[in-house]
Amino acid sequence: NAGVTQTPKFQVLKTGQSMTLQCAQDMNHNSMYWYRQDPGMGLRLIYYSASEGTTDKGEVPNGYNVSRLNKREFSLRLESAAPSQTSVYFCASSRDRATDTQYFGPGTRLTVL
Amino acid sequence: KQEVTQIPAALSVPEGENLVLNCSFTDSAIYNLQWFRQDPGKGLTSLLLIQSSQREQTSGRLNASLDKSSGRSTLYIAASQPGDSATYLCAVRGANNLFFGTGTRLTVIP
Repeated sequence: NAGVTQTPKFQVLKTGQSMTLQCAQDMNHNSMYWYRQDPGMGLRLIYYSASEGTTDKGEVPNGYNVSRLNKREFSLRLESAAPSQTSVYFCASSRDRATDTQYFGPGTRLTVL
Repeated sequence: KQEVTQIPAALSVPEGENLVLNCSFTDSAIYNLQWFRQDPGKGLTSLLLIQSSQREQTSGRLNASLDKSSGRSTLYIAASQPGDSATYLCAVRGANNLFFGTGTRLTVIP
């Protein structure tokens, strides 16, 4: 039981490049989330998927797109990376959206030059 | 918009001491409150979750309380150990989002 896994662990991009961050969970959770963590800002929600087939914007969605590929997988795409997107990205999942504990992956450290 | 504040930002205590970490939030309309632990370069580990109808939760040496009316939560750690050194984050669950504080970095000195 691996919990929540994320790939890659580290990535360096040049401004304007695109990439997809992958996330998978093996806990049969319905809801999945993408956060970014910046120094002094705390974690902020980018997008979430309350259940398979649905996605919604969080607090800071601009510059990102997501895909809930199936119940297990939720990917985050940067179409044209900008230096302001340098951050640590965390994926999380929970059994349901409202009341359940969220379980986090180990994070992806992204640097955009 | 919900604002979550954690004070102090950093705390150092000698091993064995009992300590309290504080979390305050501005909007009392919450579903629940969670306390997480984050080790350097790692993800978040959930410690305790308190539903809005509850007053406290306990797990081992940890006890978390919630006072919705005053917008406050505390995390009490008993008999601290060097292995407790980490950043502790609180997060409140609103209607659409989980709002995080910026954390308290705890160092337990052997």
